Amino acid sequence: AQSVTQLDSQVPVFEEAPVELRCNYSSSVSVYLFWYVQYPNQGLQLLLKYLSGSTLVKGINGFEAEFNKSQTSFHLRKPSVHISDTAEYFCAVSVSNTGNQFYFGTGTSLTVIP
Amino acid sequence: DGGITQSPKYLFRKEGQNVTLSCEQNLNHDAMYWYRQDPGQGLRLIYYSQIVNDFQKGDIAEGYSVSREKKESFPLTVTSAQKNPTAFYLCATEDWNGYTFGSGTRLTVV
Repeated sequence: AQSVTQLDSQVPVFEEAPVELRCNYSSSVSVYLFWYVQYPNQGLQLLLKYLSGSTLVKGINGFEAEFNKSQTSFHLRKPSVHISDTAEYFCAVSVSNTGNQFYFGTGTSLTVIP
Repeated sequence: DGGITQSPKYLFRKEGQNVTLSCEQNLNHDAMYWYRQDPGQGLRLIYYSQIVNDFQKGDIAEGYSVSREKKESFPLTVTSAQKNPTAFYLCATEDWNGYTFGSGTRLTVV
C-alpha cells in the first residue's frame, strides 16, 4: 500500500516570503504525484501534477514542485506568497494516472500573515 | 461547463436517520469516488466505482452504501449504522488528468 506523509500540519508565513510544503511518499514502483489546494468549505482544486518528464513541475498561482525519486519527495514551493494563498494543501499519489485509487496526505494548513 | 455537482451543500440529520448525498457529473468520466474529510485526518476513501453497476468498498465503508445505476450519478447513503457521520463529504471523478472534485456536502448530526 502507498502512504503519503506531509511533514508539517501547519505552516505560518509572512506575506511575500517564500514557502515550501513538504511531501514524502512510500512506493517501490513508478508513481504519479499531485498537489491540490482546498479553500474553506470547498472541494479540492488541482495545483499541479507530475506524470513523467521534467522533474520540475509548474502549476497555477505561481506554485511549483520538484519530483525527487531518490528521496521519494515532491515538495511544493512558491517564491513569494500572497494572502490569498491561505488554504489547506494536499499531496496525493497514484500508481497509475487512470483507474487507480489516489492516496492523500493529511494536509498542510498554510496561513499567510500580513 | 463540465463539472461535478454535490447537493445539498449543508445537511442536518437526526440520530437514527438515513440520509442520501447526491453527486452528479457531466464530465463523462467512468470512475467516481466518495471521500470523507475530518479535521487533521485528510481524505479517507469510502467507496469507489470504476464503471456503471459496479462499485468497491474503500477504507471506511462501514455504515455507508452507494449505487451506480447511471454513469452520471453516484449517490452516497449514510445509514444509521454509521456511528460518527458528522464530516465533510467529497465526491470526485477521475481521468488521465487526475481527480476532479465536487464542492462537498457538510453533514451534521443533531
